[in-house]
Amino acid sequence: GQNIDQPTEMTATEGAIVQINCTYQTSGFNGLFWYQQHAGEAPTFLSYNVLDGLEEKGRFSSFLSRSKGYSYLLLKELQMKDSASYLCAVMDSNYQLIWGAGTKLIIKP
Amino acid sequence: DTGVSQDPRHKITKRGQNVTFRCDPISEHNRLYWYRQTLGQGPEFLTYFQNEAQLEKSRLLSDRFSAERPKGSFSTLEIQRTEQGDSAMYLCASRPGTGEADTQYFGPGTRLTVL
Repeated sequence: GQNIDQPTEMTATEGAIVQINCTYQTSGFNGLFWYQQHAGEAPTFLSYNVLDGLEEKGRFSSFLSRSKGYSYLLLKELQMKDSASYLCAVMDSNYQLIWGAGTKLIIKP
Repeated sequence: DTGVSQDPRHKITKRGQNVTFRCDPISEHNRLYWYRQTLGQGPEFLTYFQNEAQLEKSRLLSDRFSAERPKGSFSTLEIQRTEQGDSAMYLCASRPGTGEADTQYFGPGTRLTVL
């Protein structure tokens, strides 16, 4: 079967750095997406990785290792507004997104 | 605001009633998706359109659910004889058809509560 695993919840301090991990087992791979979702709102796109390595976009970076079935989202200089759920999603061989359950990130002052 | 709109934003209904939701995708996007999301879970795929053609429908989707995209622009999702288990956020997403792995952009969702 297809499976996306990410931690249920993480806590970090304002101004710090946090890494959210995602491991996956899917039928085929056509890229991995990270989305941010604030409570009661729709997911918003953060990043897309299809090749191994690190993609940096401002305070957010995303890393992919296809051989390990592993990705992480790195958030730097955390702000209170970064409190949200972070969803990892893999595009499978049918170009459909398989979603993880999301990681709820709590930022403390 | 991603440019994808959904209506209504909230719907409260009694068990057994029918409900219909609307999604207006970004105008140049020819692919449209419907998802359902419950608290603490990721989005669950329901169905997918390319232009007006419904190309895929989740096996988890019962016969009470139907979706249309008659002119390849807006789409509607209807749930007949609603059940309490249908309570969820219903999300619509669209993406351009130029590349298979293009990003999906989500609307604000319709939150359904079945009493």
